[in-house]
Amino acid sequence: AQSVSQHNHHVILSEAASLELGCNYSYGGTVNLFWYVQYPGQHLQLLLKYFSGDPLVKGIKGFEAEFIKSKFSFNLRKPSVQWSDTAEYFCAVNGVGGGADGLTFGKGTHLIIQP
Amino acid sequence: SAVISQKPSRDICQRGTSLTIQCQVDSQVTMMFWYRQQPGQSLTLIATANQGSEATYESGFVIDKFPISRPNLTFSTLTVSNMSPEDSSIYLCSATPGAREGIQYFGAGTRLSVL
Repeated sequence: AQSVSQHNHHVILSEAASLELGCNYSYGGTVNLFWYVQYPGQHLQLLLKYFSGDPLVKGIKGFEAEFIKSKFSFNLRKPSVQWSDTAEYFCAVNGVGGGADGLTFGKGTHLIIQP
Repeated sequence: SAVISQKPSRDICQRGTSLTIQCQVDSQVTMMFWYRQQPGQSLTLIATANQGSEATYESGFVIDKFPISRPNLTFSTLTVSNMSPEDSSIYLCSATPGAREGIQYFGAGTRLSVL
């Protein structure tokens, strides 16, 4: 069965600090990978996705993620965080051709950015 | 993309009763899904709502407890039946516009509390 592991459940950073959130997955096949974000009081939004091609993908608001197949990882990064990045971040996976597949989510990382 | 509306946004229900949650998409979509997010937990896929046929349930979820309807390409309902306090969760609807696209868009969720 597929699973997603996010390493940090709570992260507190100061503004302008660099961010890296870890995500590892277990899946028996080729995968699609996603990072979703949930800002306080808002619904889940897609930050970025990896389907194929360049393993370094860029998303909205200056976020990027790197797919490392050999490590089954898809870590999220941002070089300089802002107070507005305070949110819950979820890594998720489904199978290739997976528009028909539901997502398997990690437990989420609660990120707090201090001014 | 797709904009998803869920009703109700929250409800408080008595043990033993049932609640039906509605999910409306602003465009025709191929796939619709229902998830549950229990307090402090990640999102767990309940089922895939198939248009014109019975829903496909994940392990641990059964039709008698979570009957799902999908009468057309823009609408689905999830019923939480014979509720107990353990059913207190956020229930989320998502949709994929095209099976090949693979991106799921989420509603704001329904926060259910069972007394």
